[in-house]
Amino acid sequence: ETGVTQTPRHLVMGMTNKKSLKCEQHLGHNAMYWYKQSAKKPLELMFVYSLEERVENNSVPSRFSPECPNSSHLFLHLHTLQPEDSALYLCASSEGGGTSSYEQYFGPGTRLTVT
Amino acid sequence: SQKIEQNSEALNIQEGKTATLTCNYTNYSPAYLQWYRQDPGRGPVFLLLIRENEKEKRKERLKVTFDTTLKQSLFHITASQPADSATYLCALNTGGFKTIFGAGTRLFVKA
Repeated sequence: ETGVTQTPRHLVMGMTNKKSLKCEQHLGHNAMYWYKQSAKKPLELMFVYSLEERVENNSVPSRFSPECPNSSHLFLHLHTLQPEDSALYLCASSEGGGTSSYEQYFGPGTRLTVT
Repeated sequence: SQKIEQNSEALNIQEGKTATLTCNYTNYSPAYLQWYRQDPGRGPVFLLLIRENEKEKRKERLKVTFDTTLKQSLFHITASQPADSATYLCALNTGGFKTIFGAGTRLFVKA
């Protein structure tokens, strides 16, 4: 257990559905991240929040919408996804700011399949 | 363009030998370089971090070197065990929150 939990662990959704991924960290970190991991590809950074403010947004399609209500929780709202969005979605947290080292602690991921 | 390269071919070694994995990068000036381990279907797990002004870092059977002139990091696992079989990811941080990951190298340690 890394102190970062994600739900659900598996999700199958149609292209017209709306669903949300949830991430919670119990490490007292103030930065949280969403990554997408497709087969045999590097992790792709999607969004970063620091102290509940979005600090990175990597040209992600608007069908992905993040929400960070507090420093312990992060959501990824999904709507009208495409089959190519099928991937492992990973949440991570880290300390941040000042001279922190930004090593990241990952959750187990949500395996998303879009049909 | 900025690029991180890890050997995409799997590395197969015999138990007890030293595994050496390579991470090369171009067009970055990283402040930190990190190594993570990832098992199938799970999230990456942080292993070691080395700063730009450090040449070498060790933790138990793990050793990382960082050569900013060659733009290369080497990751060594000594006395390897079958339980070390996993994918190992190299990651660069150039400052701030943005960390760039390599695609990883798969390691198989045979008993």
